[in-house]
Amino acid sequence: QKEVEQDPGPLSVPEGAIVSLNCTYSNSAFQYFMWYRQYSRKGPELLMYTYSSGNKEDGRFTAQVDKSSKYISLFIRDSQPSDSATYLCAMRALGGGYNKLIFGAGTRLAVHP
Amino acid sequence: GAVVSQHPSRVICKSGTSVKIECRSLDFQATTMFWYRQFPKQSLMLMATSNEGSKATYEQGVEKDKFLINHASLTLSTLTVTSAHPEDSSFYICSAQMGGGTTKNIQYFGAGTRLSVL
Repeated sequence: QKEVEQDPGPLSVPEGAIVSLNCTYSNSAFQYFMWYRQYSRKGPELLMYTYSSGNKEDGRFTAQVDKSSKYISLFIRDSQPSDSATYLCAMRALGGGYNKLIFGAGTRLAVHP
Repeated sequence: GAVVSQHPSRVICKSGTSVKIECRSLDFQATTMFWYRQFPKQSLMLMATSNEGSKATYEQGVEKDKFLINHASLTLSTLTVTSAHPEDSSFYICSAQMGGGTTKNIQYFGAGTRLSVL
């Protein structure tokens, strides 16, 4: 079993739709949770960063972390064609030698006009 | 803020040559830098972690003599692919992590380098 599970998609939605992207994980030591967006042939770009449980909102993006269920989500409201990209969840544990980010497989999203 | 520059973005080389890729944190000091490799339609695979002034820590299965990493300063790390072969062709991405404060656990990524070995 992978430490982080993420459906690779692809996910195709019409412009204006609400998009829900999710990851589950198995390591209860994970404390930091991130969502990155990666356009084709580019490096990942940090979208959202959350420490521990809770919600965080930034413009059209909302990140949710439910540590009791080991489940994180990213919601995109009013999706735009420019949101078409691969979305990677990433997480890491706190302290010690745990500097490594553990990535999900990435979900490919296509928003069509 | 938090800009990471990676150069070159694209390199084509002949088999047997060595290729150096640079990763610079432009507006912050990076105590730790990471090197990843990414195959098409796959997630990032961590190759090694480097801390300024010390030897890099390589992930299992990554040849340290093939992929030389130098982290000589708080703003620069380099990856040298030695005696490159076609199977080394891939997309290489670096990231940099700040030291201290609540932001220290965030990795900021470069734009990546596409290596093609003929």
